[in-house]
Amino acid sequence: IAGITQAPTSQILAAGRRMTLRCTQDMRHNAMYWYRQDLGLGLRLIHYSNTAGTTGKGEVPDGYSVSRANTDDFPLTLASAVPSQTSVYFCASSARGAADTQYFGPGTRLTVL
Amino acid sequence: GQNIDQPTEMTATEGAIVQINCTYQTSGFNGLFWYQQHAGEAPTFLSYNVLDGLEEKGRFSSFLSRSKGYSYLLLKELQMKDSASYLCAVRDGDYKLSFGAGTTVTVRA
Repeated sequence: IAGITQAPTSQILAAGRRMTLRCTQDMRHNAMYWYRQDLGLGLRLIHYSNTAGTTGKGEVPDGYSVSRANTDDFPLTLASAVPSQTSVYFCASSARGAADTQYFGPGTRLTVL
Repeated sequence: GQNIDQPTEMTATEGAIVQINCTYQTSGFNGLFWYQQHAGEAPTFLSYNVLDGLEEKGRFSSFLSRSKGYSYLLLKELQMKDSASYLCAVRDGDYKLSFGAGTTVTVRA
């Protein structure tokens, strides 16, 4: 069982380009999340999905969009990248049960120049 | 919203005990989590508290006081591999987590 996979591992992107970060989980978890992690700021929630077909905005959603067409996949799209979106992006999932532990993918390191 | 505070850095000696405090102010509370994150890696789950009191799991223990908005993570018998960042996270009523900025623990020989 792989758990959560993310692709790419790292990417350097020119400002203004469109980029999709991929996230796939094989645990059949209902809920999925995208975070960005910046030095000194900790993990901040970008978007989330409580179940397939639904999405919601987190703390820092501007400039990002998501879709949840099925249970396993939760891609994050930057429509027109800006340098302030340089960060490490983590995808996570949870079963939404009583203890509801979130499990994290390995992360994508994105640099926007 | 959530306001979560924890110290930025702590240093301790191998074999010692370190206590990482976390205070929070929330608009809703549905549990507190501690995660460990080694440099360049993903956060991994350590502990979960939803009721007041102490939860012990091997060398790691976590305490919660909901009335005080306070938690701590206790690391005992420190080992070099415990050098990492420790993240305090509060879950709201909608199952979303808000994270503190993390505490970097350095274990010295």
